[in-house]
Amino acid sequence: KNEVEQSPQNLTAQEGEFITINCSYSVGISALHWLQQHPGGGIVSLFMLSSGKKKHGRLIATINIQEKHSSLHITASHPRDSAVYICAAYSGGGADGLTFGKGTHLIIQP
Amino acid sequence: EAQVTQNPRYLITVTGKKLTVTCSQNMNHEYMSWYRQDPGLGLRQIYYSMNVEVTDKGDVPEGYKVSRKEKRNFPLILESPSPNQTSLYFCASSFSGSSYNEQFFGPGTRLTVL
Repeated sequence: KNEVEQSPQNLTAQEGEFITINCSYSVGISALHWLQQHPGGGIVSLFMLSSGKKKHGRLIATINIQEKHSSLHITASHPRDSAVYICAAYSGGGADGLTFGKGTHLIIQP
Repeated sequence: EAQVTQNPRYLITVTGKKLTVTCSQNMNHEYMSWYRQDPGLGLRQIYYSMNVEVTDKGDVPEGYKVSRKEKRNFPLILESPSPNQTSLYFCASSFSGSSYNEQFFGPGTRLTVL
């Protein structure tokens, strides 16, 4: 069973700062998802990565398959980025399903 | 609008009273899944379905049932709810028959079992 660890658990930063959230997993995977959970509870998919790097607006996600590690970066952070960010690993094969990290609670102060 | 809907959004019930949480998607997705989210434990998969009439257990299936008679609907059934099923529940769907692709989540159902 894959173990997915996220760090930090909580992060408070000032508006404009560069943010990095880390995700590591114990078993090789087929895909790594990054999700955003709004304060109201809704969950939105941000990225699905199987290799390399993806960028969407101010968000950048990278994955290093050999090191079993992924990072989510936010450039020029804004208070509206305040949310819980969750990574989830898909190992594929056998029983399907995502293994989730416990999330990183991000607060961006004006 | 492409979306996953869940009903009800909030439910307070009592131990042993059967309930169903509905989930419907309008994107013609093959894959649907149910998750529960608990403080300190994160999201965990309850059941999933790779297509019509194909369902399988996730990590925490005890006390739950599902069915997939139509592609768009994937109801979650609690035959005899207990207080340890108090949780926030999410339904999700994706295009292909696995969790590989982007997941689309419903708004969540907050269930309290007294």
